[in-house]
Amino acid sequence: QKEVEQDPGPLSVPEGAIVSLNCTYSNSAFQYFMWYRQYSRKGPELLMYTYSSGNKEDGRFTAQVDKSSKYISLFIRDSQPSDSATYLCAMRRGGSNYKLTFGKGTLLTVNP
Amino acid sequence: DSGVTQTPKHLITATGQRVTLRCSPRSGDLSVYWYQQSLDQGLQFLIQYYNGEERAKGNILERFSAQQFPDLHSELNLSSLELGDSALYFCASSVGAGEANEQFFGPGTRLTVL
Repeated sequence: QKEVEQDPGPLSVPEGAIVSLNCTYSNSAFQYFMWYRQYSRKGPELLMYTYSSGNKEDGRFTAQVDKSSKYISLFIRDSQPSDSATYLCAMRRGGSNYKLTFGKGTLLTVNP
Repeated sequence: DSGVTQTPKHLITATGQRVTLRCSPRSGDLSVYWYQQSLDQGLQFLIQYYNGEERAKGNILERFSAQQFPDLHSELNLSSLELGDSALYFCASSVGAGEANEQFFGPGTRLTVL
């Protein structure tokens, strides 16, 4: 079993839709959870960064972490064509262990 | 623009050859990380340097090595290249200390081994 599982999609939605992206993980030592957005042929761009369980909101983006279920989500409200990209979840242990473990990414297309 | 720079953008070489990838971290960041991204494996951590010293190692092959120089730029050396080494290689940087320590990624180097 991989440490981090992410449905690769592809996911196609109409403009304005609410998008839900998810990852599950098996390592209970993970403490920090991130979502990166990667446009084609570009480097991953940090979108959201959360510590432990709970919600975090930033504009149209909301990240949720449920450590009891080992499940994290990213919600995108009022999705735009410019949101079309691959979304990668990433996580790491606490302390000075900064190695990130990534999901394989979900390819999202928002259709105008 | 994350502030992390990588050169070259593209590299095409032959099996058995050796290449060097270069990364300059964001201003003020002391840690540099190298990741490999392939279609089948996704993004995989290779190695981390902090202020010139190796801090953590991932699934890095023995044919690969890295170093971080006094000016904090880093190089990833790949030798005896095989077809399977074709991938995107990303460098990321972070402050390198403290709990938060977000990593910011460069634009990557696309390596093609023929």
